[in-house]
Amino acid sequence: KQEVTQIPAALSVPEGENLVLNCSFTDSAIYNLQWFRQDPGKGLTSLLLIQSSQREQTSGRLNASLDKSSGRSTLYIAASQPGDSATYLCAVRHHGNKLVFGAGTILRVKS
Amino acid sequence: GAGVSQSPSNKVTEKGKDVELRCDPISGHTALYWYRQSLGQGLEFLIYFQGNSAPDKSGLPSDRFSAERTGGSVSTLTIQRTQQEDSAVYLCASSLPSGQGNEKLFFGSGTQLSVL
Repeated sequence: KQEVTQIPAALSVPEGENLVLNCSFTDSAIYNLQWFRQDPGKGLTSLLLIQSSQREQTSGRLNASLDKSSGRSTLYIAASQPGDSATYLCAVRHHGNKLVFGAGTILRVKS
Repeated sequence: GAGVSQSPSNKVTEKGKDVELRCDPISGHTALYWYRQSLGQGLEFLIYFQGNSAPDKSGLPSDRFSAERTGGSVSTLTIQRTQQEDSAVYLCASSLPSGQGNEKLFFGSGTQLSVL
């Protein structure tokens, strides 16, 4: 059974810091991995999608890496801003059609 | 519409009643998912529809839960004889078919279900 773990569960940083969120998964036979952002009371917004054959994806200040063999992904946020405050979720597409989600990292960027 | 639309946004019901939750996916998205998010927990997969294929119902927690997707577009999730443990946010997502290299999921804002 695929399990996804995210560390840390919560993170508080001052504005401007670079930060790394971690995601690990137990079964490396994944199809792809996605990072999402969830604001309070809202749905999820897809940030980055990395196919199993890729090593990283970048979008603006965000960079996600994937090491499939070790079952790890990181989301790097450069020059953090208060507007980055949200819950960040990692999800892997494993066998079949469903995405398996981690519990998320709650990020707070203080101004 | 421009995004995934879910209704109602909030639903309060009494234990034992039936509820229907609606999802209107992005036009052209043939894949549709239902997830459940309980307080303090991760997202739990419920059901997946892809075009005219038989749905993947492997995540439905009991036979009180059912879903249908008519005409390959709008989907309805029905919970019969609701229980307090059914209280959660029910999220719908849609995407292009998997295998095309562009399977980003687009989520609706969810339906907050409260069973009293």
